[in-house]
Amino acid sequence: EIVLTQSPGTLSLSPGERATLSCRASQSITSNYLAWCQQKPGQAPRLLIYGASSRATGIPDRFSGSGSGTDFTLTISRLEPEDFAVYYCQQYGTSLTFGGGTKVEIK
Amino acid sequence: EVQLVESGGGLVKPGGSLRLSCAASGFTFRSYSMNWVRQAPGKGLEWVSSITSTSTYIYYADSVKGRFTISRDDAKNSLFLQMNSLRPEDTAVYYCVRTFNWGQGTLVTVSS
Repeated sequence: EIVLTQSPGTLSLSPGERATLSCRASQSITSNYLAWCQQKPGQAPRLLIYGASSRATGIPDRFSGSGSGTDFTLTISRLEPEDFAVYYCQQYGTSLTFGGGTKVEIK
Repeated sequence: EVQLVESGGGLVKPGGSLRLSCAASGFTFRSYSMNWVRQAPGKGLEWVSSITSTSTYIYYADSVKGRFTISRDDAKNSLFLQMNSLRPEDTAVYYCVRTFNWGQGTLVTVSS
């Protein structure tokens, strides 16, 4: 079973700042089957990035994903007010596994 | 447009049973693996179970193995989760998921 570890648990930033979120896998993820999703209170998660670095339809280009193998990063270049939320990494190579989440909160 | 609509959640006593359903539309349901993912109040996402197309392979999280059964009806574009011997720790919003597409979730509360 692949275990995903996200860091930090909470990121306190101001609008306009850059956010860097990390996701580390316990073993190499097949074909970079790594996604990032965003969840706001009371809502279902929403896909942002798939294949480690491909943006989903309609996702602004301030969101970018990078990495391969066991280390992956989600970067939000300039935080907008609507970006404050919880972010999860997800591997989908072997069933599904999720990281514990990173909460991006307003400083 | 992919749509996934869950139903069947509710309040049940410990040891009880519930059957969740997910109605799928907007894609060729029979061609896709499907999943159930849950989220306990204030907690993160937890994968529960997966079923491949044609039901060839079925997988369960250790936390639900032997108590939950996933199934599908491709003729009705539907996914199911039969949940038996429910425990308070099964309390969560249950989501029907097609890899990246999520339903709105249905709340299951296990409490006496």
